[in-house]
Amino acid sequence: DAKTTQPTSMDCAEGRAANLPCNHSTISGNEYVYWYRQIHSQGPQYIIHGLKNNETNEMASLIITEDRKSSTLILPHATLRDTAVYYCIVRARTNNQGGKLIFGQGTELSVKP
Amino acid sequence: GAVVSQHPSWVICKSGTSVKIECRSLDFQATTMFWYRQFPKQSLMLMATSNEGSKATYEQGVEKDKFLINHASLTLSTLTVTSAHPEDSSFYICSARDRTRSNEQFFGPGTRLTVL
Repeated sequence: DAKTTQPTSMDCAEGRAANLPCNHSTISGNEYVYWYRQIHSQGPQYIIHGLKNNETNEMASLIITEDRKSSTLILPHATLRDTAVYYCIVRARTNNQGGKLIFGQGTELSVKP
Repeated sequence: GAVVSQHPSWVICKSGTSVKIECRSLDFQATTMFWYRQFPKQSLMLMATSNEGSKATYEQGVEKDKFLINHASLTLSTLTVTSAHPEDSSFYICSARDRTRSNEQFFGPGTRLTVL
């Protein structure tokens, strides 16, 4: 699986938008971009994923550049409960046994009052 | 989303004993489950892929005789840490792939293992 690069940490003011960048310059054509987050001492939580189009759900928006070499996760109105480590992962989305989720170091987001 | 549970949520054991951790998919069937380990201040490290009805596939550097995985049904995988030592103390997390949801992967809450 392709590797990703994320900033180690970021701060965000409560109520403001949190924009978390991710570089995945070696992504291949059949690989999707996934975002998960992990609140301290819990299992990872799925946030969103996309291939090439921008995606939005109730949790966040995902903006993928046209060349697919980078993406940004946007939390539109960050709350204190959004404080977590955010992982950007690229993975082939297949219907067989392939496509393991390999975690990098992630970005530790601190939302401050 | 789909629900994955783990049992126990935490366990303390003596060095040299074996510990079994269960991972269950509660509302879906999972032919494939995954086991991760996470040390403090570090990311998740994939240990092995558990396949229902067949042998697990271990990642490089993970001892298969040390970490026994059994995936006997479509809703249950177990990880047994044999002859546990203090260096095996870690946060163990499982995940399960849901075929009905395009093979998306859902994670359990984790099990904190402390070996004294």
